[in-house]
Order: sequence, then C-alpha cells, then structure tokens
Amino acid sequence: DAGVTQSPTHLIKTRGQQVTLRCSPKSGHDTVSWYQQALGQGPQFIFQYYEEEERQRGNFPDRFSGHQFPNYSSELNVNALLLGDSALYLCASSSDRGSEDGYTFGSGTRLTVV
Amino acid sequence: DAKTTQPPSMDCAEGRAANLPCNHSTISGNEYVYWYRQIHSQGPQYIIHGLKNNETNEMASLIITEDRKSSTLILPHATLRDTAVYYCIVRVVLIEKLVFGKGTKLTVNP
Repeated sequence: DAGVTQSPTHLIKTRGQQVTLRCSPKSGHDTVSWYQQALGQGPQFIFQYYEEEERQRGNFPDRFSGHQFPNYSSELNVNALLLGDSALYLCASSSDRGSEDGYTFGSGTRLTVV
Repeated sequence: DAKTTQPPSMDCAEGRAANLPCNHSTISGNEYVYWYRQIHSQGPQYIIHGLKNNETNEMASLIITEDRKSSTLILPHATLRDTAVYYCIVRVVLIEKLVFGKGTKLTVNP
C-alpha cells in the first residue's frame, strides 16, 4: 500500500518563475493538505483540498494556489517565485471520514529559488 | 501560532526511556493532544494522540495531566533511529489543519 507520493523530490527555480508540485495521496484518503517548511522551522499550513475545493487556507499570499483532481491527487502552484519561497513543501493526506486519525505525510519536495 | 511549548532539545541514552514534555496551558475541552516526529529529510510521522486519558501504542505512551495543561510523550526504550524532531500539537479533531511549533530535537546517543 503506497503512502503519499510527491514529485519531484528536488527542484531549482529562478526568482520570478512559476512552479508546480504534485502529490498523490495514500490509498483510501480523499483529503490533501499542503505545508511549507523553512529550514529550522516547523511546517506551516498552506491550504487543504477536499472534493476538489479549497476547504481551509493558511496565511499565504494568492501566489500560492492549488488544485485537486477527481482521483484525489493534488497540485500546488507558486507564481512569481521569491527567494523566500525556498523550502521543503510537504503534502499530507487523510480520510475525511476518519478525521481523528493522524495525517500521512509525504517526504516532500525541496524547492530552491535562486 | 502554536499553542504548545516544548524544550528546544533533549538528549537520551540508547536503551533508556525518553520523556518529552509539552505544555499546553490554554488547551480547550474539545482539543486533543497529538504527537508527530520528523526524522531528518522525511515528512512528519504520526505517533499518538489523546484527549484526557493516558494512551499507549506500539510506538510510545502519552501521559496527560489531570488538568490537561501538560503532557509527556514516553519512548520506553529509545534507539538511535528515534533521533528526530518531536512536535506536540493541540487540535480539534474535526478542524483539519495542524499548527506546528519548533518542536524538540531529541538526540539518542549510543
């Protein structure tokens, strides 16, 4: 049973460019959340998708957007990249019916903006 | 902002119990205490959670004080593979997002 799969694992982009990160949730999970983790900090919540809609959003600018597909996979898009967007981006999936359970996290995408 | 306070770092000898404290003095009656850990270069991993009673699973035990203002995560026989950052989080179950603090960096020494 595959867990959460994220791609790519590493990415280098130039300031001002746009990037798309991808996430496939754990089998049986229908909810996907995205987190940003800067070096030395805990993960910070970006947003969550359920039934192809953004259900909750953290304190991130509109440059950060997402999408969820009918198969529950998700994309995170970041436009007009800034140096400060360099971070580990984590995807976490869960089942809306089993909210008491813990999330399952992927290993993340390491984004470096130069 | 995170609603928990944890020491920034702790050390533990291999084979001994690791006791990681967490203060959550403003916890509400409907908030659970969750523990996650993050091993270097990996995503956070769920460990255990509880509301008011002590809990135990195959990974750890969670002791919550009677007033629920603090808790302790216990790894009964720490191994080198338990070296990680441990996060204590309070969360209302049906509100989905997790609010992470900086956690406790646990180093298990041989």
